[in-house]
Amino acid sequence: QVQLVQSGAEVKKPGSAVKVSCKASGGPFSNYGFSWVRQAPGGGLEWMGGIIPKFGSGNHAEKFQGRVTITADESANTVYIEVRNLRSDDTAVYHCAREQMGGTGALDIWGQGTMVTVS
Amino acid sequence: DIVLSQSPDSLAVSLGERAAINCKTSHTVFYNSNKKNYLNWYQQKPGQPPKLLIYWASTRDSGVPDRFSGSGSGTDFTLTISNLQAEDVGVYYCQQYYTTSGDRTFGPGTKVNIK
Repeated sequence: QVQLVQSGAEVKKPGSAVKVSCKASGGPFSNYGFSWVRQAPGGGLEWMGGIIPKFGSGNHAEKFQGRVTITADESANTVYIEVRNLRSDDTAVYHCAREQMGGTGALDIWGQGTMVTVS
Repeated sequence: DIVLSQSPDSLAVSLGERAAINCKTSHTVFYNSNKKNYLNWYQQKPGQPPKLLIYWASTRDSGVPDRFSGSGSGTDFTLTISNLQAEDVGVYYCQQYYTTSGDRTFGPGTKVNIK
């Protein structure tokens, strides 16, 4: 049974950076895509970007251009998201999710979420 | 960018009755090449991550009860919950994946409660 386990909650100052990890266990890793989705308190879901570990480089939504980097470490079965120059409106739960095989674009396995507070 | 809207924002349904949630996309999400609509549905319960219910607009994910069904094509889609159960309370999101860049967008969500 595939599981995604994320790193713990973070409290950061405005202008600083945060790096959240997501470790996959119980199944194959490199051939799957992984996405990062965030959710502000009381808000909806916002796709931030994704990566296929075997291809190396990630992509991200245009609004995060220059502030977000998504990476993967195949040897550790782990994907990461780094958000720089944090602002108060980056306060959110950050979820990683695995992309369903078959090219559906759906996210079928989700991590537990990591709360990032910028204050 | 493809923008998704959902209606209603919230609804309250009696146990055992039917709930219908609509999702409209600003651009078609239908691929002629494989006749698939790249529209997915998720359920999110309080304090939990989202759960995939439906992919390709109408295919239930493994283990999803058959009271959940998806329909629609092109730009207009519906998630129907038949015989609503207490455990179906939550927020439902649609999500599209119709871009060569791999970008995804979500709808704003619809909150379902028990009347």
